[in-house]
Amino acid sequence: AIQLTQSPSSLSASVGDRVTITCRASQGITSALAWYQQKPGKSPKLLMYDASSLKSGVPSRFSGSGSGTDFTLTISSLQPEDFATYYCQQFYTYQTTFGGGTKVEIK
Amino acid sequence: EVQLVESGGGLIQSGGSLKLSCAASGFTVSSNFMSWVRQAPGKGLDWVSVIYSSGTTYHADSVKGRFTISRDNSKNTLYLQMNSLRAEDTAVYYCARALAMSGGTLFDYWGQGTLVTVSS
Repeated sequence: AIQLTQSPSSLSASVGDRVTITCRASQGITSALAWYQQKPGKSPKLLMYDASSLKSGVPSRFSGSGSGTDFTLTISSLQPEDFATYYCQQFYTYQTTFGGGTKVEIK
Repeated sequence: EVQLVESGGGLIQSGGSLKLSCAASGFTVSSNFMSWVRQAPGKGLDWVSVIYSSGTTYHADSVKGRFTISRDNSKNTLYLQMNSLRAEDTAVYYCARALAMSGGTLFDYWGQGTLVTVSS
Protein backbone atom coordinates (compact mmCIF):
# COMPACT_ATOMS: atom_id res chain seq x y z
CA ALA A 1 0.00 0.00 0.00
CA ILE A 2 1.11 3.56 -0.67
CA GLN A 3 2.31 5.27 2.50
CA LEU A 4 1.85 8.97 3.16
CA THR A 5 4.13 10.78 5.59
CA GLN A 6 3.01 14.14 6.91
CA SER A 7 5.25 16.68 8.57
CA PRO A 8 5.28 18.14 11.03
CA SER A 9 3.03 15.97 13.19
CA SER A 10 2.10 19.09 15.13
CA LEU A 11 2.83 22.78 15.08
CA SER A 12 2.03 25.86 17.12
CA ALA A 13 1.13 29.06 15.32
CA SER A 14 -0.53 32.39 15.89
CA VAL A 15 -3.52 33.94 14.21
CA GLY A 16 -2.33 35.58 11.02
CA ASP A 17 0.64 33.26 10.53
CA ARG A 18 1.38 31.49 7.28
CA VAL A 19 1.34 27.73 7.83
CA THR A 20 2.67 25.00 5.55
CA ILE A 21 2.09 21.27 5.96
CA THR A 22 3.85 18.69 3.81
CA CYS A 23 2.78 15.23 2.68
CA ARG A 24 5.19 12.80 1.03
CA ALA A 25 4.07 9.65 -0.79
CA SER A 26 6.09 6.44 -0.84
CA GLN A 27 5.65 6.29 -4.62
CA GLY A 28 4.44 8.63 -7.33
CA ILE A 29 0.72 9.37 -7.22
CA THR A 30 0.50 12.07 -9.92
CA SER A 31 -1.87 14.68 -8.41
CA ALA A 32 -4.25 12.17 -6.80
CA LEU A 33 -4.17 13.81 -3.38
CA ALA A 34 -6.82 15.32 -1.14
CA TRP A 35 -6.65 17.30 2.11
CA TYR A 36 -9.11 17.15 5.01
CA GLN A 37 -9.64 19.20 8.14
CA GLN A 38 -10.87 17.58 11.35
CA LYS A 39 -11.84 19.38 14.54
CA PRO A 40 -12.04 17.56 17.90
CA GLY A 41 -15.11 15.34 18.16
CA LYS A 42 -16.16 16.07 14.59
CA SER A 43 -15.95 14.20 11.31
CA PRO A 44 -13.36 15.21 8.68
CA LYS A 45 -14.19 17.81 6.06
CA LEU A 46 -12.82 17.81 2.52
CA LEU A 47 -10.78 20.93 1.74
CA MET A 48 -8.86 20.18 -1.43
CA TYR A 49 -8.67 17.54 -4.14
CA ASP A 50 -6.40 16.83 -7.13
CA ALA A 51 -3.64 18.35 -5.00
CA SER A 52 -4.56 21.97 -5.72
CA SER A 53 -8.31 22.23 -6.42
CA LEU A 54 -10.23 23.96 -3.67
CA LYS A 55 -13.59 22.46 -2.76
CA SER A 56 -16.44 24.91 -3.26
CA GLY A 57 -17.04 26.96 -0.12
CA VAL A 58 -13.56 26.51 1.33
CA PRO A 59 -11.84 29.84 2.04
CA SER A 60 -9.23 30.95 -0.47
CA ARG A 61 -6.58 31.25 2.26
CA PHE A 62 -6.19 27.49 1.81
CA SER A 63 -4.07 26.38 -1.12
CA GLY A 64 -2.39 23.18 -2.21
CA SER A 65 0.45 22.27 -4.51
CA GLY A 66 2.60 19.39 -5.64
CA SER A 67 2.57 16.30 -7.80
CA GLY A 68 4.35 12.98 -7.89
CA THR A 69 5.53 12.35 -4.34
CA ASP A 70 5.70 15.76 -2.63
CA PHE A 71 2.71 17.90 -1.70
CA THR A 72 1.98 20.90 0.47
CA LEU A 73 -1.07 22.48 2.08
CA THR A 74 -0.68 26.17 2.88
CA ILE A 75 -2.86 28.41 5.00
CA SER A 76 -1.89 31.94 4.04
CA SER A 77 -3.21 33.68 7.15
CA LEU A 78 -4.27 31.40 9.99
CA GLN A 79 -7.69 32.14 11.44
CA PRO A 80 -9.09 31.02 14.82
CA GLU A 81 -11.39 28.49 13.14
CA ASP A 82 -8.41 26.85 11.38
CA PHE A 83 -7.01 25.26 14.52
CA ALA A 84 -7.58 21.60 13.80
CA THR A 85 -5.89 18.44 12.55
CA TYR A 86 -5.19 18.13 8.84
CA TYR A 87 -4.89 14.88 6.90
CA CYS A 88 -3.73 14.15 3.37
CA GLN A 89 -5.20 11.21 1.44
CA GLN A 90 -4.07 9.54 -1.78
CA PHE A 91 -6.67 8.21 -4.19
CA TYR A 92 -4.20 6.95 -6.80
CA THR A 93 -5.32 3.39 -6.09
CA TYR A 94 -8.57 1.93 -4.78
CA GLN A 95 -6.71 1.07 -1.57
CA THR A 96 -6.73 4.65 -0.45
CA THR A 97 -4.51 5.70 2.45
CA PHE A 98 -4.23 8.71 4.73
CA GLY A 99 -1.29 10.52 6.22
CA GLY A 100 -0.79 10.46 9.96
CA GLY A 101 -2.15 13.97 10.46
CA THR A 102 -0.81 17.39 11.43
CA LYS A 103 -2.28 19.06 14.48
CA VAL A 104 -2.29 22.86 14.24
CA GLU A 105 -2.42 24.38 17.72
CA ILE A 106 -2.62 27.90 19.07
CA LYS A 107 0.68 29.44 20.15
CA GLU B 1 -29.19 18.44 1.95
CA VAL B 2 -26.89 15.44 2.14
CA GLN B 3 -26.99 13.63 5.49
CA LEU B 4 -25.39 10.42 6.71
CA VAL B 5 -26.40 8.96 10.07
CA GLU B 6 -24.54 5.95 11.44
CA SER B 7 -25.83 3.57 14.10
CA GLY B 8 -25.11 0.16 15.54
CA GLY B 9 -21.90 0.78 17.41
CA GLY B 10 -21.32 -0.38 20.97
CA LEU B 11 -19.26 -2.55 23.28
CA ILE B 12 -18.58 -6.06 22.02
CA GLN B 13 -16.32 -8.86 23.15
CA SER B 14 -13.35 -9.98 21.10
CA GLY B 15 -14.45 -12.55 18.54
CA GLY B 16 -17.97 -11.17 18.38
CA SER B 17 -19.97 -9.64 15.54
CA LEU B 18 -21.61 -6.29 14.97
CA LYS B 19 -23.49 -4.70 12.08
CA LEU B 20 -23.24 -0.97 11.47
CA SER B 21 -25.84 0.97 9.52
CA CYS B 22 -25.62 4.31 7.73
CA ALA B 23 -28.89 5.92 6.71
CA ALA B 24 -28.49 8.39 3.87
CA SER B 25 -30.71 11.27 2.81
CA GLY B 26 -30.42 13.93 0.13
CA PHE B 27 -28.94 11.52 -2.42
CA THR B 28 -29.26 7.92 -3.62
CA VAL B 29 -26.81 5.43 -2.11
CA SER B 30 -27.07 2.98 -5.01
CA SER B 31 -26.04 5.65 -7.53
CA ASN B 32 -22.93 6.58 -5.64
CA PHE B 33 -19.74 5.04 -4.32
CA MET B 34 -19.87 4.64 -0.54
CA SER B 35 -17.18 3.87 2.01
CA TRP B 36 -16.45 3.16 5.64
CA VAL B 37 -13.47 4.88 7.25
CA ARG B 38 -12.44 4.33 10.87
CA GLN B 39 -10.43 6.22 13.44
CA ALA B 40 -8.99 4.55 16.51
CA PRO B 41 -9.04 6.71 19.67
CA GLY B 42 -6.47 9.49 19.34
CA LYS B 43 -5.23 8.12 16.01
CA GLY B 44 -5.49 8.94 12.32
CA LEU B 45 -7.92 7.92 9.60
CA ASP B 46 -7.97 4.37 8.23
CA TRP B 47 -9.96 3.35 5.14
CA VAL B 48 -11.99 0.15 5.66
CA SER B 49 -14.24 -0.65 2.71
CA VAL B 50 -15.84 0.74 -0.44
CA ILE B 51 -18.85 -0.28 -2.52
CA TYR B 52 -19.15 1.04 -6.05
CA SER B 53 -22.43 1.97 -7.70
CA SER B 54 -21.98 -1.22 -9.75
CA GLY B 55 -21.99 -3.27 -6.54
CA THR B 56 -18.29 -4.11 -6.67
CA THR B 57 -16.73 -4.08 -3.22
CA TYR B 58 -13.20 -3.76 -1.85
CA HIS B 59 -11.91 -4.09 1.68
CA ALA B 60 -8.67 -3.14 3.38
CA ASP B 61 -6.29 -6.05 3.95
CA SER B 62 -6.69 -5.60 7.72
CA VAL B 63 -10.39 -6.48 7.56
CA LYS B 64 -10.57 -8.71 4.48
CA GLY B 65 -12.48 -11.89 5.21
CA ARG B 66 -13.94 -10.44 8.42
CA PHE B 67 -15.87 -7.34 7.33
CA THR B 68 -18.43 -7.02 4.55
CA ILE B 69 -19.83 -3.81 3.10
CA SER B 70 -23.30 -3.89 1.58
CA ARG B 71 -26.30 -1.67 0.90
CA ASP B 72 -30.09 -1.85 0.87
CA ASN B 73 -31.33 0.24 -2.04
CA SER B 74 -34.93 0.23 -0.82
CA LYS B 75 -33.84 1.73 2.50
CA ASN B 76 -31.12 3.96 1.02
CA THR B 77 -28.83 2.55 3.69
CA LEU B 78 -25.22 1.35 3.80
CA TYR B 79 -24.05 -1.44 6.09
CA LEU B 80 -20.86 -2.87 7.50
CA GLN B 81 -21.04 -6.41 8.86
CA MET B 82 -18.10 -6.95 11.19
CA ASN B 83 -17.22 -10.49 12.30
CA SER B 84 -14.36 -11.93 14.34
CA LEU B 85 -13.78 -8.56 15.96
CA ARG B 86 -10.42 -7.81 17.54
CA ALA B 87 -9.27 -5.23 20.05
CA GLU B 88 -7.50 -3.36 17.23
CA ASP B 89 -10.86 -2.82 15.51
CA THR B 90 -11.82 -0.42 18.31
CA ALA B 91 -12.54 2.89 16.59
CA VAL B 92 -15.10 5.44 15.55
CA TYR B 93 -16.53 4.19 12.26
CA TYR B 94 -17.58 6.83 9.74
CA CYS B 95 -19.60 6.24 6.64
CA ALA B 96 -18.77 8.56 3.78
CA ARG B 97 -19.98 9.28 0.30
CA ALA B 98 -17.11 8.57 -2.06
CA LEU B 99 -16.36 10.36 -5.30
CA ALA B 100 -14.83 8.23 -8.04
CA MET B 101 -11.54 9.74 -9.14
CA SER B 102 -8.61 8.61 -11.26
CA GLY B 103 -7.80 5.31 -9.58
CA GLY B 104 -9.64 5.52 -6.31
CA THR B 105 -12.05 7.60 -4.30
CA LEU B 106 -12.13 10.60 -2.05
CA PHE B 107 -14.82 11.50 0.46
CA ASP B 108 -17.02 14.56 0.16
CA TYR B 109 -19.63 13.89 2.87
CA TRP B 110 -19.14 12.13 6.18
CA GLY B 111 -21.47 10.96 8.92
CA GLN B 112 -20.96 11.82 12.58
CA GLY B 113 -19.51 8.39 13.32
CA THR B 114 -20.40 5.49 15.60
CA LEU B 115 -18.02 4.11 18.24
CA VAL B 116 -17.16 0.42 18.28
CA THR B 117 -15.29 -0.82 21.33
CA VAL B 118 -13.94 -4.36 21.31
CA SER B 119 -13.01 -5.68 24.72
CA SER B 120 -10.43 -8.39 25.10
